[in-house]
Amino acid sequence: ETGVTQSPTHLIKTRGQQVTLRCSSQSGHNTVSWYQQALGQGPQFIFQYYREEENGRGNFPPRFSGLQFPNYSSELNVNALELDDSALYLCASSLQRPNTEAFFGQGTRLTVV
Amino acid sequence: DQQVKQNSPSLSVQEGRISILNCDYTNSMFDYFLWYKKYPAEGPTFLISISSIKDKNEDGRFTVFLNKSAKHLSLHIVPSQPGDSAVYFCAATLEYGNKLVFGAGTILRVKS
Repeated sequence: ETGVTQSPTHLIKTRGQQVTLRCSSQSGHNTVSWYQQALGQGPQFIFQYYREEENGRGNFPPRFSGLQFPNYSSELNVNALELDDSALYLCASSLQRPNTEAFFGQGTRLTVV
Repeated sequence: DQQVKQNSPSLSVQEGRISILNCDYTNSMFDYFLWYKKYPAEGPTFLISISSIKDKNEDGRFTVFLNKSAKHLSLHIVPSQPGDSAVYFCAATLEYGNKLVFGAGTILRVKS
């Protein structure tokens, strides 16, 4: 059984650029959620995908978008990067029903300069 | 609007003693609560959870207590070990919901 893996682990981008982060879900999990963790804060929910459809979204602007693929892997895309987008981006996979423990990847550290 | 609060940014405990980490929530609709542990450069690791129909759940050295009337939960670690030093996040959710709402975390340092 493989865990949740994210790529890349670190990334530096320039303000205004676009970025794509990737996540492979834990085997058997059909739900993937993305979280943003700013320095000194807890993770904040960005959105969730269940069976390739968006299933809820947090308080993030539309330039944050995502995809889930038939194998349940996922991408997070951020357009028009801003300095405040610098954070740790975490992917979590789970079984949606019930929404019990979610298993997290190691995260992607994004720095926008 | 911070629905889950961990008011202690840090806690220092001697090895072998009890560590008590606290968490408060404001949304009475939350019915499932989780604790995660996070080491530097790693993602959060699930530790223990509790449903709102219970007031206590134990797993080895870890026990979570839930006081629904006070909207308060706590994580007890007994005995504390140096390897427990990490950031601990409390999270709340609806059991059939779609997101975890996290507190800001408490840094636990266990001194040997």
